[in-house]
Amino acid sequence: AQKITQTQPGMFVQEKEAVTLDCTYDTSDQSYGLFWYKQPSSGEMIFLIYQGSYDEQNATEGRYSLNFQKARKSANLVISASQLGDSAMYFCAMKRSYKLIFGSGTRLLVRP
Amino acid sequence: DAGVIQSPRHEVTEMGQEVTLRCKPISGHDYLFWYRQTMMRGLELLIYFNNNVPIDDSGMPEDRFSAKMPNASFSTLKIQPSEPRDSAVYFCASSPYRDNSRPGTDTQYFGPGTRLTVL
Repeated sequence: AQKITQTQPGMFVQEKEAVTLDCTYDTSDQSYGLFWYKQPSSGEMIFLIYQGSYDEQNATEGRYSLNFQKARKSANLVISASQLGDSAMYFCAMKRSYKLIFGSGTRLLVRP
Repeated sequence: DAGVIQSPRHEVTEMGQEVTLRCKPISGHDYLFWYRQTMMRGLELLIYFNNNVPIDDSGMPEDRFSAKMPNASFSTLKIQPSEPRDSAVYFCASSPYRDNSRPGTDTQYFGPGTRLTVL
C-alpha cells in the first residue's frame, strides 16, 4: 500500500536560517510523483514543488528545494532563508495514477 | 488567471439538513477532485472526475454523499442528510491532462476550501 510518513509534527526555525522537513514514502511503483504543499493558517493548500521518480536532479523552486533520495525513499523539503510568512503546515504527498496520498503534515513556526 | 473557486467558504447547518458545496475548476483542466480534511483522518480523496465523468468514488464515505459535474466548469458535492461527523474542510482541486513528456504537468491545484460545521 502507498504510504507517506512525516515524522515531525512540529518544528521551529529562526528567521533567515534554513530548515529541512522530512518525508518518507512507501511504494512498489516504479513511476510516481512527489509533491509538497503549504497550508497557512488561512487554510488554502498551496503547491510548492514537484519531484518525479525518474528525475535525476533534485527539484528546486526559488527558496524551496527537494532532497530526493530514491534508494532511501525520502523526499525532504528544504526551505532556505526562512521568512516569517513560511510559518504554516507543510504536507508531503505522493501521486499514484491521479490520486494524491498525503502525509500527516509538519507545522513549521519561524521565529523572528 | 483565476484559480479554483469554491463556495461557500463557510457553512454552518443543523443535523439533517442538505448541504451543497460548489466548485469551479481552473479553465482547461480535465480533472476535478474533491478532498476532505479532518483532524482525525487528515486529507482524503473523496471522488474525482475526468472530463466530467466520475472515475473513482471509492473515497465517498456513504450514500449520504453525492457529487456531480454537469459541465467542465462546475461541480457540486452534496450531503443529504448532514451529520455532525461530516464537519470538516472540503477542498476542490483541478489538474490538466498528464503530459508524460512533461512530468509534473498534472499537478493538482486546490481551491480555498469550504469549512463545514454541522451542529
